[in-house]
Amino acid sequence: DTGVSQDPRHKITKRGQNVTFRCDPISEHNRLYWYRQTLGQGPEFLTYFQNEAQLEKSRLLSDRFSAERPKGSFSTLEIQRTEQGDSAMYLCASSLGDSINQPQHFGDGTRLSIL
Amino acid sequence: GENVEQHPSTLSVQEGDSAVIKCTYSDSASNYFPWYKQELGKRPQLIIDIRSNVGEKKDQRIAVTLNKTAKHFSLHITETQPEDSAVYFCAATIMNRDDKIIFGKGTRLHILP
Repeated sequence: DTGVSQDPRHKITKRGQNVTFRCDPISEHNRLYWYRQTLGQGPEFLTYFQNEAQLEKSRLLSDRFSAERPKGSFSTLEIQRTEQGDSAMYLCASSLGDSINQPQHFGDGTRLSIL
Repeated sequence: GENVEQHPSTLSVQEGDSAVIKCTYSDSASNYFPWYKQELGKRPQLIIDIRSNVGEKKDQRIAVTLNKTAKHFSLHITETQPEDSAVYFCAATIMNRDDKIIFGKGTRLHILP
């Protein structure tokens, strides 16, 4: 197992366009988390799934953001009508268990740049 | 609201010396405290974690201490090496009505030759 993988690694797009990122967690992990990280900051929690159910969404997550995990395996994060402020690294992490008190393993992230 | 403060933001130590990074948290419901190391352009990697029923945990050159009464926890790295240079993040999880994890803003550690 190669760990959490994210695709693409980099995405450059014009303001107003829609973008979609993919995350493949560690295969047996039932929890999957999305974070946003900007320069000089720690990861900020966005949302998480337990299996296919989305259990929590941060107030940071505007209506332009949507995430899915249709079969409880990979997940996608879509940003509609992108804005300059969406430029960031989007990190995915996964963990095993039914609690947030379990170690999370991160992917390499997708760096989004809005022109 | 819930918050995790991390200090210092930058730390330089001579190779071989010890480094200490401190974090405080605001919510007494926090009960799991991981530490992550992030090298430039790479993913955050879990290096050690501690739960609220334990006061100290050690793994080779790395140790973490937790003071629940004062609501602070610290990372200790002994005999520092060049490969310890990175950004270190502390975090605290909260399990009440909302499961969430809050990260500190990070400490950039420089190991000087």
